[in-house]
Amino acid sequence: DAGVIQSPRHEVTEMGQEVTLRCKPISGHNSLFWYRQTMMRGLELLIYFNNNVPIDDSGMPEDRFSAKMPNASFSTLKIQPSEPRDSAVYFCASSPFRNQPQHFGDGTRLSIL
Amino acid sequence: DAKTTQPNSMESNEEEPVHLPCNHSTISGTDYIHWYRQLPSQGPEYVIHGLTSNVNNRMASLAIAEDRKSSTLILHRATLRDAAVYYCILRDLSNDYKLSFGAGTTVTVRA
Repeated sequence: DAGVIQSPRHEVTEMGQEVTLRCKPISGHNSLFWYRQTMMRGLELLIYFNNNVPIDDSGMPEDRFSAKMPNASFSTLKIQPSEPRDSAVYFCASSPFRNQPQHFGDGTRLSIL
Repeated sequence: DAKTTQPNSMESNEEEPVHLPCNHSTISGTDYIHWYRQLPSQGPEYVIHGLTSNVNNRMASLAIAEDRKSSTLILHRATLRDAAVYYCILRDLSNDYKLSFGAGTTVTVRA
């Protein structure tokens, strides 16, 4: 079975540019999560969707970050404009229901120069 | 949120058991104990979870103290592939979707 698929795996761009990260959850999972991992702050939950609806976005750092889930098989995390401090590994995860084990993708390593 | 405390690192020899401790003295009665691990350059991976009773699955065993203030993840025979960061996480019913990752324990396996 295909797991959570994230693209791109690596992204390098200059500050000020728009960055879009993509995620395809496991089919049939109704919960989707975006996380960010840095050395300083570890793994942090950014946003949680249930049935394509954002439920908890309290972890989104600021207005430059936005996330959408237009359908059950696709989600995006957008940063506009990007800043060097946004450099991190961004993970997407999905689970069948909100309280069940989460399945993580391999992440997108983002570098903002 | 109830907190967990884990050692920063542990070393083990290949094919020997590994016992990873986790302290959670402020755990509430409805908190589940979850373990995830993160292999190098990969996303976290679910390992096991439990509430009160000890649990076993194909990856590991989870031993939970009677007072639930601590637990131990047991890898029965460590392999080189088990080298990872292991996270002990409490998940409460009020925010049952939330996983709050701490620093975890970095496990090194010697051949």
